[in-house]
Amino acid sequence: KNQVEQSPQSLIILEGKNCTLQCNYTVSPFSNLRWYKQDTGRGPVSLTIMTFSENTKSNGRYTATLDADTKQSSLHITASQLSDSASYICVVTPLRGYNKLIFGAGTRLAVHP
Amino acid sequence: EPEVTQTPSHQVTQMGQEVILRCVPISNHLYFYWYRQILGQKVEFLVSFYNNEISEKSEIFDDQFSVERPDGSNFTLKIRSTKLEDSAMYFCASSDGLSNTGELFFGEGSRLTVL
Repeated sequence: KNQVEQSPQSLIILEGKNCTLQCNYTVSPFSNLRWYKQDTGRGPVSLTIMTFSENTKSNGRYTATLDADTKQSSLHITASQLSDSASYICVVTPLRGYNKLIFGAGTRLAVHP
Repeated sequence: EPEVTQTPSHQVTQMGQEVILRCVPISNHLYFYWYRQILGQKVEFLVSFYNNEISEKSEIFDDQFSVERPDGSNFTLKIRSTKLEDSAMYFCASSDGLSNTGELFFGEGSRLTVL
């Protein structure tokens, strides 16, 4: 069954610190892997999109990595800000049925001053 | 910046009532989607729509659900007879290409509460 699992479930860090969020998936074959940021009660906002052939993609302080062999991805946040407090969701697009994005449960990040 | 807009932001309804959720996708986009998120759970795919017809739907999208693009701008999700378990946040999304390459833009969601 196609699944996307994320860890940790939640994370608290101090402002200015870095953190790394993990994503493991079983979706195969897959077309691309995305990371979204979702503020509480809001819609998801795209951070990065990586195709299966890409290893890394950056968007400002956000850097995503992808290892298609081990089916793992990570999202690294550098120099965290209070506004980074949100859920970060890993999403995989299957190669077949590519309209059906498969969402992870997300990691809830809280950045404290 | 163009955005996907959804109305209403919150709707409360009685079980068995019909509900219509409305979305205005980004104007030059061709692919439209509905997703839902039950409180505390993952976002789940409901349906995708292209060229005035459903291109894919999930097991959740049963006969109680329907989608329509009644004019050139609106994209609606109708639930004919709501159940308690339909309570969720419903997100509309749109893209300008196939989702395996294109970015999906999500609206802010419509929260449906079924009593």
